[in-house]
Amino acid sequence: NAGVMQNPRHLVRRRGQEARLRCSPMKGHSHVYWYRQLPEEGLKFMVYLQKENIIDESGMPKERFSAEFPKEGPSILRIQQVVRGDSAAYFCASSPRRTGQGWNSNQPQHFGDGTRLSIL
Amino acid sequence: TQLLEQSPQFLSIQEGENLTVYCNSSSVFSSLQWYRQEPGEGPVLLVTVVTGGEVKKLKRLTFQFGDARKDSSLHITAAQPGDTGLYLCAGNPFRDSNYQLIWGAGTKLIIKP
Repeated sequence: NAGVMQNPRHLVRRRGQEARLRCSPMKGHSHVYWYRQLPEEGLKFMVYLQKENIIDESGMPKERFSAEFPKEGPSILRIQQVVRGDSAAYFCASSPRRTGQGWNSNQPQHFGDGTRLSIL
Repeated sequence: TQLLEQSPQFLSIQEGENLTVYCNSSSVFSSLQWYRQEPGEGPVLLVTVVTGGEVKKLKRLTFQFGDARKDSSLHITAAQPGDTGLYLCAGNPFRDSNYQLIWGAGTKLIIKP
């Protein structure tokens, strides 16, 4: 997991507040992926970003959730007006380019250690 | 909806024993990845299998991709306490992208010393 930095590691918010989760990709990586993991479940893809572009946000709820990856600085996953159901671990992964280019090129994504979001 | 079923969901065995965990689907995948996740950490990629019937070895871990590319298994020989963790499989249904993986719910493995 070395290299992909997520902060905060734990975040507690009350219902209705905003949550901001940050992800700094590995050095040299320009592609970022956000996932959500509920207890006892696998990861669910949320959004894929390159610098200043959202490539695929098909896994992200259309309301209250947004993501960005600015030219400078970390990628941010923002959840507005949080509800109890938003409680989960949110993981960020990065890769130097879009993974899987070419049928046998399954370049791995490197994961951060996640942000555990708890909604009171 | 594509699903990956992992079994068993939970396994607790003694150090030195062998074990196999399974990852099954009715869908065909372009490739399949196995990850290990420890508490409080993100998943770490162990292996990617691409070709039907492919077998890959990583020390005491043997990974196999089914001939039809719908299932996979992970066999651990002489398990050690350091193997304890959550083992996740993730299937890639597409040939030209690798981010919309279909994830299994994981097998939680505990190796008792």
